[in-house]
Amino acid sequence: EAGVAQSPRYKIIEKRQSVAFWCNPISGHATLYWYQQILGQGPKLLIQFQNNGVVDDSQLPKDRFSAERLKGVDSTLKIQPAKLEDSAVYLCASSLDRALAGGLGNEQFFGPGTRLTVL
Amino acid sequence: AQTVTQSQPEMSVQEAETVTLSCTYDTSENNYYLFWYKQPPSRQMILVIRQEAYKQQNATENRFSVNFQKAAKSFSLKISDSQLGDTAMYFCAFMKLKYGNKLVFGAGTILRVKS
Repeated sequence: EAGVAQSPRYKIIEKRQSVAFWCNPISGHATLYWYQQILGQGPKLLIQFQNNGVVDDSQLPKDRFSAERLKGVDSTLKIQPAKLEDSAVYLCASSLDRALAGGLGNEQFFGPGTRLTVL
Repeated sequence: AQTVTQSQPEMSVQEAETVTLSCTYDTSENNYYLFWYKQPPSRQMILVIRQEAYKQQNATENRFSVNFQKAAKSFSLKISDSQLGDTAMYFCAFMKLKYGNKLVFGAGTILRVKS
C-alpha cells in the first residue's frame, strides 16, 4: 500500500512570502494531521481533520496559517506571510479512524515531511 | 495538558549491545497509549512499539521492548542486539483517548550505533 505523500520535499522562501504544502494520505484514512517539527524538538500538532472537518486546530497560528481538506482526501497547509520562526519540517500523518481507539485505527502513519527554510 | 520528557538528548551504543532510552510523562488521564517512534535521517517517522496503559504486560516487538511503569509514569525503550540501522532519532509520544488521537511528543533522543 502506498504511504503518505507530501510535496514539495524542500522549500526556501524569504520572510513575508507565502508558501503551500500538499499532503495525500493513505487511501481510506479518515483522519489527517499536520505537525510542525522545529529543529531539536518533537513534532507539535498544528491541525487535525476527520474527513473534511476540523477536529483540533488549537495550536494553529490562525493569523498566518490555514489548512483545508476539501473532499476529505488530500490536504493543503498554507503560510501567509511567513516568519523566520516558521522554519521547520512540516509533517503530515494519517490514521484510519480516530473513533477506533483501542485498535489499529489510532496508529498514525507519517509522510517524509517538507523542510521549510525562511530567510 | 500532557507533557512528555526525554532526558537523554544523545546516546551511543556499540553494535550488538543493548541500550535503554528513557521517557517520562505527566498526565491525569487513566486511559491512554504510549508510543516510541523512530525517525531516521531521511525523516520518515516510523512506529517502533506501542503500549496500552490498561495492559500491565510490557510490549515487545522483536529486538525492541518497553518497561512501562504506570505509577511512576515512566516508559523506557530497550533495544537489544543494536544494529547500525537503528541509528536514528527516537521519540516517545503520548496519546490520550478521551478527546481524539493527537500525539504529544517528547523532544527526542538521538541514538548512534557504532561499529
